[in-house]
Amino acid sequence: SQQGEEDPQALSIQEGENATMNCSYKTSINNLQWYRQNSGRGLVHLILIRSNEREKHSGRLRVTLDTSKKSSSLLITASRAADTASYFCATLLQGAQKLVFGQGTRLTINP
Amino acid sequence: NAGVTQTPKFQVLKTGQSMTLQCAQDMNHNSMYWYRQDPGMGLRLIYYSASEGTTDKGEVPNGYNVSRLNKREFSLRLESAAPSQTSVYFCASSEYRGHYEQYFGPGTRLTVT
Repeated sequence: SQQGEEDPQALSIQEGENATMNCSYKTSINNLQWYRQNSGRGLVHLILIRSNEREKHSGRLRVTLDTSKKSSSLLITASRAADTASYFCATLLQGAQKLVFGQGTRLTINP
Repeated sequence: NAGVTQTPKFQVLKTGQSMTLQCAQDMNHNSMYWYRQDPGMGLRLIYYSASEGTTDKGEVPNGYNVSRLNKREFSLRLESAAPSQTSVYFCASSEYRGHYEQYFGPGTRLTVT
């Protein structure tokens, strides 16, 4: 089964609202990363949070990591139409050399 | 600075044909990866190269081979294409294994009929 699983699978909100996506994982990690994918394009890295960090910010993005619950959340504040995309979490397992991606959350921002 | 480039962008193959997908990066990254993405799915790792001269299987390696030609280039070969290999293929690179962000190419959309 997937190491990282996003929730919800799809999210539709109004422009200006905040969007929250969650990611759960099963085993100990070195870091957790969030990526965005616009339709028909490659993935773009958004933010990386290491296992010893609890929260990181980048512009309108806020990521939290709770290693005791094996979960992370991505908050996008003041959403814009351009934020419409799929969002993926990816985890680097401890001792591993490669990321494991979840199945993604499809976010739609309605004008 | 082009980042990660992939060729071709689109390809249609008949069952049993072979082809090679090319990937190159100009960021002097050590690690390179090949993923496939099927509709509504996340990315599944096919093969990766943690550093020049090494390659390792990922989650779904069957039916594929790879070559790390040099530090810049990492190719993916389908020896005998099957309809189940219809997918979008992404190449990615990163500075060092999974410890840093990955940079993705634009993808190759492959259809096998």
